[in-house]
Amino acid sequence: QQQVKQSPQSLIVQKGGISIINCAYENTAFDYFPWYQQFPGKGPALLIAIRPDVSEKKEGRFTISFNKSAKQFSLHIMDSQPGDSATYFCAASMTSGTYKYIFGTGTRLKVLA
Amino acid sequence: NAGVMQNPRHLVRRRGQEARLRCSPMKGHSHVYWYRQLPEEGLKFMVYLQKENIIDESGMPKERFSAEFPKEGPSILRIQQVVRGDSAAYFCASSPPVARPLNEQFFGPGTRLTVL
Repeated sequence: QQQVKQSPQSLIVQKGGISIINCAYENTAFDYFPWYQQFPGKGPALLIAIRPDVSEKKEGRFTISFNKSAKQFSLHIMDSQPGDSATYFCAASMTSGTYKYIFGTGTRLKVLA
Repeated sequence: NAGVMQNPRHLVRRRGQEARLRCSPMKGHSHVYWYRQLPEEGLKFMVYLQKENIIDESGMPKERFSAEFPKEGPSILRIQQVVRGDSAAYFCASSPPVARPLNEQFFGPGTRLTVL
């Protein structure tokens, strides 16, 4: 019940295309869903996050779509650029109690120039 | 405002030695989390600490691993008698104290532990 399932494992997109990464969770107590970007040899950096009281959040080229009834959320990267090539992790946590993140297994994105 | 700092960035130990990983949270942050990332895998929660208290250590192996966050100084993750399976990247994250409608955690650059 603590798992977060992430897909696809890897993704190749042409420059200017849309990258879509999906995550699904089981624990309905989760109420905070961040996405992190990680470059090789670096720590994860927070990209964007959402609470379940909204269905969509947009920041620049990055959008989170959230479907509470399906217990799914996804990251959309519009106008993908080669500089977006990185590994993306979704996560879920509660904003009470232990606050620990449960991470997905990651998606390795490659944007072709 | 300096970010989360971790040192050393790279650590090589032989089997049976001890590894000490340090984490200095962001200024004003009093919550520290440790995560482990095995090669080609996601991050796994290990332990959550506040100053002088371990709040949740449900992800910490029962033996050889310990963590502390003293009143003064950095948080320390200690691995005794390391084995090859401990080779991984260890990340520390910090977050602000209470009154937190969100749960933003800010990650350090990690310590990459290699056990020979």
